[in-house]
Amino acid sequence: SQQGEEDPQALSIQEGENATMNCSYKTSINNLQWYRQNSGRGLVHLILIRSNEREKHSGRLRVTLDTSKKSSSLLITASRAADTASYFCATDESNYQLIWGAGTKLIIKP
Amino acid sequence: NAGVTQTPKFQVLKTGQSMTLQCAQDMNHEYMSWYRQDPGMGLRLIHYSVGAGITDQGEVPNGYNVSRSTTEDFPLRLLSAAPSQTSVYFCASSYSRRGEDTQYFGPGTRLTVL
Repeated sequence: SQQGEEDPQALSIQEGENATMNCSYKTSINNLQWYRQNSGRGLVHLILIRSNEREKHSGRLRVTLDTSKKSSSLLITASRAADTASYFCATDESNYQLIWGAGTKLIIKP
Repeated sequence: NAGVTQTPKFQVLKTGQSMTLQCAQDMNHEYMSWYRQDPGMGLRLIHYSVGAGITDQGEVPNGYNVSRSTTEDFPLRLLSAAPSQTSVYFCASSYSRRGEDTQYFGPGTRLTVL
């Protein structure tokens, strides 16, 4: 059962612009994680936000969590060509299994 | 520190053949898992293990077997390959199965079943 749903499915922006992608989920969660996947590679952890947190920053990344709307957003500021990748959210259910969204494919144009 | 390694990187099988996908980690993680990734879908959990000798089924376990004889290794066996098993397979490990733990992924195995 897929819980996380990313939006948009694909996003193409100019280098230097900000990129925002969203994740929605269906049931209550304890934690939400964001991962990046470069083409042909495994996923790499970016950031975790807990259910009692509303916002978190890590370098050029800003993550927000709205538990009332069951949604999270990932903002990448001042995008670079190296940010071209797919981005996935993962949420945990009470049985400790992570549920993954289908991902947002981000393309940064030079 | 190699992290999570997977072999092979690519594999082509004929329907009905069997094979084992290898996964190893050198971080002394208790929790290991196998996912498949299909176009337009998120990762789907096949099997997981919370420690040596302990395995359990995930969301899509049919057609796959696993074992965990050591902390380091977690092989995935395809018993009789079917075209529906064409996918990219990822092995992941984490310190524990808690939802707050970072998952470390291998580079993946791209499997095609003809």
